[in-house]
Amino acid sequence: GENVEQHPSTLSVQEGDSAVIKCTYSDSASNYFPWYKQELGKRPQLIIDIRSNVGEKKDQRIAVTLNKTAKHFSLHITETQPEDSAVYFCAAITRGGSARQLTFGSGTQLTVLP
Amino acid sequence: KAGVTQTPRYLIKTRGQQVTLSCSPISGHRSVSWYQQTPGQGLQFLFEYFSETQRNKGNFPGRFSGRQFSNSRSEMNVSTLELGDSALYLCASSLTGFGADTQYFGPGTRLTVL
Repeated sequence: GENVEQHPSTLSVQEGDSAVIKCTYSDSASNYFPWYKQELGKRPQLIIDIRSNVGEKKDQRIAVTLNKTAKHFSLHITETQPEDSAVYFCAAITRGGSARQLTFGSGTQLTVLP
Repeated sequence: KAGVTQTPRYLIKTRGQQVTLSCSPISGHRSVSWYQQTPGQGLQFLFEYFSETQRNKGNFPGRFSGRQFSNSRSEMNVSTLELGDSALYLCASSLTGFGADTQYFGPGTRLTVL
């Protein structure tokens, strides 16, 4: 079936540095790519999303880039802070027959070291 | 506005039993999606309901079913429980669907199957 691969699985950065998480997808018809942040013991929260008609989107310290040709998209966090420490999931809408699914990557545990 | 709520928050069942989980979406939201989260498989899409109809479905066996009521509240049922069904079950609501607008997750129901 369609899948979404996410790398790296763990990432440690110093406070103030940038963090980049990458995802690839296989369904060429995928047109929506959200990113979720899940802090320990809490629910996932949407932090940013991008649609296939846009190459880049930015919201303060967070940006997402999309390369449709290569079928990959990336999350960029600049000037990282300790409160950015969490698990980050990428996702893509994929097709399963006539139905659509939201398929998630396996997650990246980001640790921001003070 | 009240957020997405799920009941119960914790549940312990034994193999072979069945279970029903409930999700109350944000007022005005008509789409409710269900997800299973486990350490091994990550976040997996179960199904989506919109206006009382199952609109999309993931790759789970028929033991997993759901329904949505006229007030958009949704229930998920798992029959003949297996040990592998132990997981955090999350629901998420949105105005029109997971690809169209922001999904808001509930706190989840932690199901343990003994």
